[in-house]
Amino acid sequence: DAGITQSPRHKVTETGTPVTLRCHQTENHRYMYWYRQDPGHGLRLIHYSYGVKDTDKGEVSDGYSVSRSKTEDFLLTLESATSSQTSVYFCAIRDRGSYEQYFGPGTRLTVT
Amino acid sequence: SQQGEEDPQALSIQEGENATMNCSYKTSINNLQWYRQNSGRGLVHLILIRSNEREKHSGRLRVTLDTSKKSSSLLITASRAADTASYFCATDGETSYDKVIFGPGTSLSVIP
Repeated sequence: DAGITQSPRHKVTETGTPVTLRCHQTENHRYMYWYRQDPGHGLRLIHYSYGVKDTDKGEVSDGYSVSRSKTEDFLLTLESATSSQTSVYFCAIRDRGSYEQYFGPGTRLTVT
Repeated sequence: SQQGEEDPQALSIQEGENATMNCSYKTSINNLQWYRQNSGRGLVHLILIRSNEREKHSGRLRVTLDTSKKSSSLLITASRAADTASYFCATDGETSYDKVIFGPGTSLSVIP
């Protein structure tokens, strides 16, 4: 257990509504990541963070924004949810020494 | 894009046989890692190989890396039913090692 939690674990929302997913870590890791997982695509990187207030885009960042105001929390916001954003979202932290990533349990988001 | 493909997409073998999965990538890398995902769960780190290494072993796992071909393979020897899972490779770029990109994965079924 790498001390990563995600909330909520499940969410159903309507098209056009904003949604915020939270990733919380207790390990004080500098690097945090948001991925989405869809059948046939594996995990695709949305955004990542390399420190407080330091974030960068991944492969599929359109329609998503992130914030990291403190080390332990990394928030992913869907500004106006669309059905194409229905997915399972995983947060991960990365150990700076070993480069290993540790994943949270995932959030299943359905946009109707 | 940093990441390429994994093949095969799906693999079904008998218990006791060896399983080989391949991963290709597009840009120069710093590290390549393999992860495993059991159905509906988060990913778990298996093994890391650095760009200056050619082969690495961990228990029943053997990973090779050919940087000239931009490819890696994961061999699981003497497979067990419990090895049934999806396997993903992940790379971090030589100049952007914070950015970790995953391939689409190989789904392995080990039949008892």
